[in-house]
Amino acid sequence: EVQLLESGGGLVQPGGSLRLSCAASGFTFSSYVMSWVRQAPGKGLEWVSAVSGSGGSTYYADSVKGRFTISRDNSKNTLYLQMNSLRAEDTAVYYCAKEGGYCTSTRCYTYIDYWGQGTLVTVSS
Amino acid sequence: DIQMTQSPSSLSASVGDRVTITCRASQSIHNYLNWYQQKPGKAPKLLIYAASSLQSGVPSRFSGSGSGTDFTLTISSLQREDFATYYCQQSSSTPELTFGGGTKVEIK
Repeated sequence: EVQLLESGGGLVQPGGSLRLSCAASGFTFSSYVMSWVRQAPGKGLEWVSAVSGSGGSTYYADSVKGRFTISRDNSKNTLYLQMNSLRAEDTAVYYCAKEGGYCTSTRCYTYIDYWGQGTLVTVSS
Repeated sequence: DIQMTQSPSSLSASVGDRVTITCRASQSIHNYLNWYQQKPGKAPKLLIYAASSLQSGVPSRFSGSGSGTDFTLTISSLQREDFATYYCQQSSSTPELTFGGGTKVEIK
């Protein structure tokens, strides 16, 4: 059974830092792209960042580029999100997400097939 | 960047109604379109991928259609457990997966 368990959320002051972790189990962690998706209170879903299976390629939303760093430790089956220079607008539930895929003879499709339970990050003075 | 626009943002319907939600992409995304359902306090759940393929375990009353820029999620006969918020997501620019703004389906 696939499980994703986030930790590290909490209350932080504007300009502060926080590191989120996501412990994964039930699948071959290093074979899959992993992502972080956030949801501000009462708002919709926003893709934040993704990392390739090897960790060698990383991707960021414009809203967090230069402030957040995604990484993974495949020996520990753990995904991370280092968040620096936090702003009030970063307040959200942060979900760890596993990307799955399906390929036909001509195209490959990706989607998020498993999500963690989420961890709340509150940026406030 | 590809923008995703959903309509309506909310709707009221009764059990047994046929419900249709629309998602429009700012440029062609072929059929790289997924749909998710989210209930309050829970993580989203994948319903449809590749615009029209039903995820395993999802009831057949859910269906998806469309290609290019215009897509539709249809619930053929709304059940009580279907009251939730629905999101479309494009995967054309994977791994950057942009979501639509969401459609909240409420009880009339």
